[in-house]
Amino acid sequence: SQTIHQWPATLVQPVGSPLSLECTVEGTSNPNLYWYRQAAGRGLQLLFYSVGIGQISSEVPQNLSASRPQDRQFILSSKKLLLSDSGFYLCAWSGASGREPYEQYFGPGTRLTVT
Amino acid sequence: AQSVSQHNHHVILSEAASLELGCNYSYGGTVNLFWYVQYPGQHLQLLLKYFSGDPLVKGIKGFEAEFIKSKFSFNLRKPSVQWSDTAEYFCAVKGAGNNRKLIWGLGTSLAVNP
Repeated sequence: SQTIHQWPATLVQPVGSPLSLECTVEGTSNPNLYWYRQAAGRGLQLLFYSVGIGQISSEVPQNLSASRPQDRQFILSSKKLLLSDSGFYLCAWSGASGREPYEQYFGPGTRLTVT
Repeated sequence: AQSVSQHNHHVILSEAASLELGCNYSYGGTVNLFWYVQYPGQHLQLLLKYFSGDPLVKGIKGFEAEFIKSKFSFNLRKPSVQWSDTAEYFCAVKGAGNNRKLIWGLGTSLAVNP
């Protein structure tokens, strides 16, 4: 069966510090991968998605970037965090185009607080 | 642009009451529809999905949803809620294109009083 891991679970970082959040998927190959930010009362905002190694699509301009160095690894980064980057970050995966599963499966999330 | 609207932001029910959460989307083509649930302290999980066929779909834990194409709706229902149904519920839609991106509603917070 497939599993998705995210770490760390919580993170407190000062303004201006770098960020690296990691997501890995097990039990599947060539998945689509997604980074979301979830804010209370504002639903899920898609930040980035990837259909393959090195292929990243950015959905909203922001202070963050994403990379996919390996097939099942997805990293969310920032060179200098802003207060507004605080939030709950979720990683998800689905099958690639034409492949099941069509729905997305989510990791446990990372709670980021920028102080 | 495609959008998803969840009409109820906060719902409070007593145990055994019936539940219906509204979800409407704006897209005229073929859609795939999803309801996800997030229990307190847990991660988002799929409740049910609609791709084609019978417009009444059944999911986990006694939930069901009905796709009404003419109304662009995919409302979630449960005949009798339990305290353990307290959670955040999200409706999502996949519309045009080959990508798997979903358009999400803002969510409905459900509190069930014992």
